[in-house]
Amino acid sequence: NAGVTQTPKFRVLKTGQSMTLLCAQDMNHEYMYWYRQDPGMGLRLIHYSVGEGTTAKGEVPDGYNVSRLKKQNFLLGLESAAPSQTSVYFCASSYSSGPGNIQYFGAGTRLSVL
Amino acid sequence: AQKVTQAQTEISVVEKEDVTLDCVYETRDTTYYLFWYKQPPSGELVFLIRRNSFDEQNEISGRYSWNFQKSTSSFNFTITASQVVDSAVYFCAYQAPGYSTLTFGKGTMLLVSP
Repeated sequence: NAGVTQTPKFRVLKTGQSMTLLCAQDMNHEYMYWYRQDPGMGLRLIHYSVGEGTTAKGEVPDGYNVSRLKKQNFLLGLESAAPSQTSVYFCASSYSSGPGNIQYFGAGTRLSVL
Repeated sequence: AQKVTQAQTEISVVEKEDVTLDCVYETRDTTYYLFWYKQPPSGELVFLIRRNSFDEQNEISGRYSWNFQKSTSSFNFTITASQVVDSAVYFCAYQAPGYSTLTFGKGTMLLVSP
């Protein structure tokens, strides 16, 4: 049982390049989330999805796009990477939106934009 | 908007010492959930505990205990007889009613030396 799997684990981009981060969960969770973690900032929500085909903006959505074509996958895209997007990205999933739902996290993707 | 404050950026203790990590939150909601997550050096976030705002009973799990005080808007985490394996960044998080998303504090890095 893998839980939440993120690929790749590390990536280096040049300014202006694009890339897609993949998040896959095998827990049949309805909800999925993308966060970024920066030193001294904690985790901040980028986008989230309440179900297949549905996405919503979080606290820091600018410069990112997401897609949820399949229930088990949640993709995070950077169309034109900027140095400010250097961060560690975490994907999470939860069973429902019910009160107290627990989010389960992947191992993270460390992205550097030069 | 809700706010979670973890005022202690970094704490250093020697093994076997007790240590308390503070979490203070601001909200106008009457019902909500609070969480603690652990991020060991390996990077993944691990769920530790969830607490409903109506349940003010303290909770103990082995060497870990949590003190929730609604009157002071605090949800503090104590590790008794700390061990080197407790070294990690610990995050407190808030979940508003009707929302699945989490608002994280900036985290407290705990360093336990032998």
